[in-house]
Amino acid sequence: NAGVTQTPKFQVLKTGQSMTLQCAQDMNHEYMSWYRQDPGMGLRLIHYSVGAGITDQGEVPNGYNVSRSTTEDFPLRLLSAAPSQTSVYFCASSYSGLAGSGSDTQYFGPGTRLTVL
Amino acid sequence: AQSVTQPDIHITVSEGASLELRCNYSYGATPYLFWYVQSPGQGLQLLLKYFSGDTLVQGIKGFEAEFKRSQSSFNLRKPSVHWSDAAEYFCAVGAGAGGSYIPTFGRGTSLIVHP
Repeated sequence: NAGVTQTPKFQVLKTGQSMTLQCAQDMNHEYMSWYRQDPGMGLRLIHYSVGAGITDQGEVPNGYNVSRSTTEDFPLRLLSAAPSQTSVYFCASSYSGLAGSGSDTQYFGPGTRLTVL
Repeated sequence: AQSVTQPDIHITVSEGASLELRCNYSYGATPYLFWYVQSPGQGLQLLLKYFSGDTLVQGIKGFEAEFKRSQSSFNLRKPSVHWSDAAEYFCAVGAGAGGSYIPTFGRGTSLIVHP
């Protein structure tokens, strides 16, 4: 298994540009999440999905869009990039529950480092 | 809503010394609790978790944590630290109903290990 993969690893955007961060998992996990990590802030949940066709907002959804057309993929779209969206973005997946369960674990991708100028 | 506090931004220990990283949570019911480790430039890796049962939880890499309901704490411990343990450590609480409970992360504690 490749686990959770994210592309690109690094990206620089100009203010106002749009882009899509890709996330894929090959573990047949129903639950997938997007987080952003900022210095001194820990991880904050942006959007999540509990299965194909079902998404919901997390703590910091503004400026981001998601969709889940397949179990494997969960792309994150930045509609009009702003400097405040400069961050490291992590995708995660799990089989049962957003954070896993007693017998399951949440797996994280390696992250995408995004800079918005 | 739930919240997590990691009081220590940085912790410095000598290699071979014992370690305790503090985590306090706020949640009205029994929470699900996690500790993750993040090495530089990497994603997060689960060290251990508490869902129910024994309040002393064993994890990977020789780590353990104890859930203390009376103190709303879930501190991470290791008896002897190795240089490779230098990393960022995150405590998280998962709360809610069913399978869609939302995890909330603390701000992290950076562990520095001196030789």
